[in-house]
Amino acid sequence: NAGVMQNPRHLVRRRGQEARLRCSPMKGHSHVYWYRQLPEEGLKFMVYLQKENIIDESGMPKERFSAEFPKEGPSILRIQQVVRGDSAAYFCASSPPSGGATETQYFGPGTRLLVL
Amino acid sequence: KQEVTQIPAALSVPEGENLVLNCSFTDSAIYNLQWFRQDPGKGLTSLLLIQSSQREQTSGRLNASLDKSSGRSTLYIAASQPGDSATYLCAPREVTGGGNKLTFGTGTQLKVEL
Repeated sequence: NAGVMQNPRHLVRRRGQEARLRCSPMKGHSHVYWYRQLPEEGLKFMVYLQKENIIDESGMPKERFSAEFPKEGPSILRIQQVVRGDSAAYFCASSPPSGGATETQYFGPGTRLLVL
Repeated sequence: KQEVTQIPAALSVPEGENLVLNCSFTDSAIYNLQWFRQDPGKGLTSLLLIQSSQREQTSGRLNASLDKSSGRSTLYIAASQPGDSATYLCAPREVTGGGNKLTFGTGTQLKVEL
């Protein structure tokens, strides 16, 4: 069973370009989470999605950021008109639909975004 | 709003020592708490999950305890090895706001020396 997969692992963009980060959850997992780790800071929750639904986006910046998890295919975190402050490691996690106190989130290797 | 603090921020010990990493959190309404390790430039590896109804969990040389009412968890590492060198993160999972958000501390950076 492959783990959570993220691509690309490294992404370089110039200011004003768009960044698309992809996440394929573990097999059988229908819950996806995105977290961001800014340089020298801890991981911060961004958004929680289930198939075709955004459940909690309380950590998403109000502008330029969007996320989706379509019925088919990976989850996408999209950042429009990137700025230098968007440079960070973006981690995706997934969990099975069981929920409850035993639910473990499994993390991918991250995408490291560098904005020039 | 949940806030997580980890002490110490950094720790350097000789190989073979037993050590304790501390985590405190402000909101005790949690489903569970996970301990992770993060190696430089890598993702997170889940080490232990301790449910809110449990007091401790063990996996090999690792033992995690949880005192939910006082908002504290500790990770005990026995007989430390150089391969244990990494940043250790604790993350309680909140009950509120959809119930699936992990809040992370800034971690304890551990170095185990030969």
